[in-house]
Amino acid sequence: DAGVTQSPTHLIKTRGQQVTLRCSPKSGHDTVSWYQQALGQGPQFIFQYYEEEERQRGNFPDRFSGHQFPNYSSELNVNALLLGDSALYLCASSWRTVNTEAFFGQGTRLTVV
Amino acid sequence: GQSLEQPSEVTAVEGAIVQINCTYQTSGFYGLSWYQQHDGGAPTFLSYNALDGLEETGRFSSFLSRSDSYGYLLLQELQMKDSASYFCALHGSGNTGKLIFGQGTTLQVKP
Repeated sequence: DAGVTQSPTHLIKTRGQQVTLRCSPKSGHDTVSWYQQALGQGPQFIFQYYEEEERQRGNFPDRFSGHQFPNYSSELNVNALLLGDSALYLCASSWRTVNTEAFFGQGTRLTVV
Repeated sequence: GQSLEQPSEVTAVEGAIVQINCTYQTSGFYGLSWYQQHDGGAPTFLSYNALDGLEETGRFSSFLSRSDSYGYLLLQELQMKDSASYFCALHGSGNTGKLIFGQGTTLQVKP
């Protein structure tokens, strides 16, 4: 049973560019949440998708947007990249929005230069 | 808002017992979880407390006291592989799946 898979694993982008990160949830899961983890910090909640809609959003600007597809996979898009967007982006999946255990992917390490 | 505080670093020897504390401030929450993360890896779920008291899962136990706004993770029979970062995380009220994480505690296990 494949767990949560994210792609790519590493990415280097130039300031001002746009980036798309991808996530496939664990089999049987229908809810995807995205987190940003800066070096040495805890993950910060970006947003959550369920039934192809954004259900909750953390304190992130509109430059951060997402999408969920009918197969429950999800994308995170970041526009107009800033140096401060450099971080590990984690995807977590669960069954329904109500959950006690989130399953995380290995993350995408984004470096903005 | 919601915030959590954890010690930044803890050091212990192999075979020992270590406790990682977590204090929080929130107007309401559904439960408190603990996650382990090895360098560059995915956070993995360790334990969850919805109610006050102790939850035991193998070598790991977690405790919650809502009246004291306090929880802890207890690791017994420490092994070298336990060297990692440990995060406490609040589940928002309504249990909507949003997790608010602490800054993390780096545990170093020495031989």
